[in-house]
Amino acid sequence: QVQLQESGPGLVKPSETLSLTCTVSGGSMSSYYWSWIRQPPGKGLEWIGYVYYTGSTNYNPSLKSRVTISVDTSKTQFSLKLSSVTAADTAVYYCARGVSGPGVFDYWGLGTLVTVSS
Amino acid sequence: QSALTQPASVSGSPGQSITISCTGTSSDVGSYNLVSWYQQHPGKAPKLMIYEGSKRPSGVSNRFSGSKSGNTASLTISGLQAEDEANYYCCSYAGSSTWVFGGGTKLTVL
Repeated sequence: QVQLQESGPGLVKPSETLSLTCTVSGGSMSSYYWSWIRQPPGKGLEWIGYVYYTGSTNYNPSLKSRVTISVDTSKTQFSLKLSSVTAADTAVYYCARGVSGPGVFDYWGLGTLVTVSS
Repeated sequence: QSALTQPASVSGSPGQSITISCTGTSSDVGSYNLVSWYQQHPGKAPKLMIYEGSKRPSGVSNRFSGSKSGNTASLTISGLQAEDEANYYCCSYAGSSTWVFGGGTKLTVL
């Protein structure tokens, strides 16, 4: 059974960089897309971007200037970096596997709340 | 890239059928048969219910079905059950390898 687990700081200061890692277990990273999705408290889902197992990426145009997603298949991990954060970036961040295309998310992590505050 | 439009809430009684709409544009929903639907219970991660418009993943009840007409995709739940009460989100391909979610719909089982 594939499992995904997010990890990283739960509190980030404004203007700093948010960094999260997703560890994949129970399956290979090959041939899949690996995405980050976030959900502000009480609000809807927002797709942040994905990385293919080969390392190719694509991002939400509204976040593109601040986002970097990378993959390390040897560690079965992929990572998110979001720079220059503000309170608007406070959200539960989910990592997810994309199957049959990057936008079909069949496995999700439990999510991790990241709060941006000084 | 704007969020897809979903009704904020829908409701139905046990055993009834309900439909949740997801309206986009000719640049996303209308141009591709790549809409997926997710169920999210409070405090939980979303769960894939429908993909590529009308396909059900293994293990998802056949009470859930998806369709599309023009720029609007729909999720229909038949034989409504108490456990179906949750938030539902649509997601569509929006071109240029990007994806967009709907704002979400809260389903209440009366």
